[in-house]
Amino acid sequence: DQQVKQNSPSLSVQEGRISILNCDYTNSMFDYFLWYKKYPAEGPTFLISISSIKDKNEDGRFTVFLNKSAKHLSLHIVPSQPGDSAVYFCAAIHNAGGTSYGKLTFGQGTILTVHP
Amino acid sequence: GAGVSQSPRYKVAKRGQDVALRCDPISGHVSLFWYQQALGQGPEFLTYFQNEAQLDKSGLPSDRFFAERPEGSVSTLKIQRTQQEDSAVYLCASSLAQSGTAFFGQGTRLTVV
Repeated sequence: DQQVKQNSPSLSVQEGRISILNCDYTNSMFDYFLWYKKYPAEGPTFLISISSIKDKNEDGRFTVFLNKSAKHLSLHIVPSQPGDSAVYFCAAIHNAGGTSYGKLTFGQGTILTVHP
Repeated sequence: GAGVSQSPRYKVAKRGQDVALRCDPISGHVSLFWYQQALGQGPEFLTYFQNEAQLDKSGLPSDRFFAERPEGSVSTLKIQRTQQEDSAVYLCASSLAQSGTAFFGQGTRLTVV
């Protein structure tokens, strides 16, 4: 049972345009969400996160939106740059107010390619 | 060190062979996780340590998989009698606090032939 789903295996975007990566989840106990970025032969690196008490979190070119009723989140990258080309993983935690230990449940990943 | 370090980076094992994968977490990090990433999939949770205590091993796929962190720092994931379906990238992650952001190592790519 895939509790976190990224239904788009790949996304191709022109440099300077917006990249939108989507993620859906089924477990209503998830209350903290993260995006990780992964380059080939490297481990995932943390990008941005959002708590379920918020619907938006912004950090520079990266914004994450959360729609709890739809159990959907998205990552917006504006403007996209060639160096953003990587695999992006959505992940979720049942944080339980900070008492849980942070076990991550990941989606399958979306390969983003930004063309110059 | 500056980041999470895993060794070896690549391991080829013959079916039936035992392997040991090492993880050096960021110094002072209490929490340590192991994940398994099959080709084309996201990482999947294997096990969790808080200091030297293994608090969750619910993700270990079989009793051939064993993990330890005896002094609350370095951790080893051991796989006995490897099988082809064990081929994957094994990722280690550590975090400073119980619910802090996890930092990942580069992973060990295991290929069982």
